[in-house]
Parts: sequence; C-alpha cells; structure tokens
Amino acid sequence: EIVLTQSPGTLSLSPGERATLSCRASQSVPSIYLAWYQQKPGRAPRLLIYGTSSRATGIPDRFSGSGSGTDFTLTISRLEPEDSAVYFCQQYGYSFTFGPGTKVDIK
Amino acid sequence: EVQLVESGGGLVQPGRSLRVSCAASGFTFDDYAMHWVRQAPGKGLEWVSGISWNSGSKAYADSVKGRFTISRDNAKKSLYLQMSSLRAEDTALYYCAKDSSNWSDAFDVWGQGTMVTVSS
Repeated sequence: EIVLTQSPGTLSLSPGERATLSCRASQSVPSIYLAWYQQKPGRAPRLLIYGTSSRATGIPDRFSGSGSGTDFTLTISRLEPEDSAVYFCQQYGYSFTFGPGTKVDIK
Repeated sequence: EVQLVESGGGLVQPGRSLRVSCAASGFTFDDYAMHWVRQAPGKGLEWVSGISWNSGSKAYADSVKGRFTISRDNAKKSLYLQMSSLRAEDTALYYCAKDSSNWSDAFDVWGQGTMVTVSS
C-alpha cells in the first residue's frame, strides 16, 4: 500500500499570503494519479486538482499543483478567507489512498 | 445538476449488518466508476471500496475486505454498500463519490454522506 504523508499538519497564514502544502508518497506515484481535495467543516470534500497539476472545473487559478515521483505540492498563491479548510492529497494509481490532511487557518 | 444522495445510515450493534445506498442524478451513471469513502469523527478520509462502470471490477480496503460488499444497479442509478460483521471502528460518515472515468481516476463529485454508528 502506498502511504501518503502531508506536511505541515497545520498552516496559519494571513489573507494574501502564499500557502505551500506538501504531500510525500512512500513510493513513486505517476503524476497522472495524484489529486488534491479541499474539505470545509461539515462539508463533503471537493476536488481541486487532478493529475498533479490540472485544476478541476470551477477552481480558481490561485490554486496550483506540481511535483513528481514521491514529492507533490499544492500552492495557494494568494490566500482568501474562504480558503480556510483541510486539504487532502490522494493517489489513485495503486488502489486509492489519502494523506492525513493539512489544516489551513486564515488569521 | 449533478448530485449524489446517500441514505441508510443509522445506529447498529456490533456484529450486525447494514446497507447504505447512494442515488445518482444529473449524469450518465453507467459511464463511471463509483466509490465509497468514509470519515470517522474528527479524522481523515479513508477509501473503502470502488466498483467499475459495469461491475466488472470491484476493490476493497483491507480493513473491510470480506465484510463489505459493493454493488450497483445502473438501471436505478444507484450504488450500494452492504456492511456485515460491523465493528466499532466502522463508525464513520460514509460518502458516495463519483470517479471521473470508468475506473481509477480522481473523485469529482461527492455526496453529503450518511452516518453509520456501531455501538451497543
């Protein structure tokens, strides 16, 4: 089973700042099989990024993804208050696994 | 509008069975694989099971293998999860999620979930 590790556990930033979230896999994941989701309290997860860097429908361009092999990154270029949420990475190349999540707090 | 609506959750005793359902609308159900993902209270996401568009492929997490069975009825646009030998650690919000292809892709639509509580 591929294990995904996310860091940091919590990120506390101000509006307008840049957020960089990391997702590391226990073995190499083809870049087409890595996704990011956003989950707000009491809500279902929402797909943000698929295939490492492709934005899902309706996702603003301040969200971007990058990476390869075992190291992947979600960047939120200019934080807005509504970006306060937990962000999960997921690999879907070898069965399906999710990372533990990174909580983003907007000060 | 693309929508997934789960139902069937509730309180069940350890060792008993329960079936949860997911009704789909707004898209061609039989073109896509479907999945169940669960989230224990205050915890992260755990993929539980997936089924291909034509039920030809099914997969399960090790934690539920042999106890849970996934199925779908394309004519009814519905997805099911039959859960047996339930344990306290199966307590979670169970989400139905649409695969963005006919097997093994990102999950682009999610329902709001149905809560399953396993307790005596």
